[in-house]
Amino acid sequence: EVQLVESGGGLVQPGGSLRLSCAASGFTFSSYAMSWVRQAPGMGLEWVSAISAGGGNTYYTDSVKGRFIISRDSSENTLYLQMNSLRAEDTAVYYCARVAHSNSWYPWDVWGKGTTVTVSS
Amino acid sequence: SYELTQPPSVSVSPGQTATITCSGDKLGDKFACWYQQKPGQSPVLVISQDNKRPSGIPERFSGSNSGNTATLTISGTQAMDEADYYCQAWDSRTAGVFGGGTKLTVL
Repeated sequence: EVQLVESGGGLVQPGGSLRLSCAASGFTFSSYAMSWVRQAPGMGLEWVSAISAGGGNTYYTDSVKGRFIISRDSSENTLYLQMNSLRAEDTAVYYCARVAHSNSWYPWDVWGKGTTVTVSS
Repeated sequence: SYELTQPPSVSVSPGQTATITCSGDKLGDKFACWYQQKPGQSPVLVISQDNKRPSGIPERFSGSNSGNTATLTISGTQAMDEADYYCQAWDSRTAGVFGGGTKLTVL
């Protein structure tokens, strides 16, 4: 079964750091680009970051550039999101998602259940 | 930055056709896709590459994309289709972009 399982969320103070993980199984992880998408409480979906299948290319939404780093470890079949200098507006459920077709950046056909990040003092 | 605009809400009677639009500059030059999200659940891809239905998505879901507007059409809408729907595209400068979402009410 194709599956993505996020972990690493929690409560963190403004200015703090968290590292999210997304464990992939049931497919050849190294063949697919991956993305992180977040959803603030009561709000819509917001794309956050993407990484190519090989890890050599990355994209970020403007609001997280310079603060978040996406990475992947194909030996561990795991996607990461290192989040630094966290702000209250980063509070959200963070989903990892797999691209539907290799050699493309979207759409995303497999989603995890999400992990909740709360930034508050 | 690139933006996609959706109506906040759409209402439809059971068995009727629901139409949800998504507008963006020259959106027809990009592939548009659509996600369904029910309360407390992760998004589900319902339309890929303008008009392709992923495996397991009912035939009543269809899509089109031309000019500045992509459209999700749900024919014979059922109560189970009540959900939030998001359009999404990829822009060369902005990268991943979602529309603001449309709440579909079946009443």
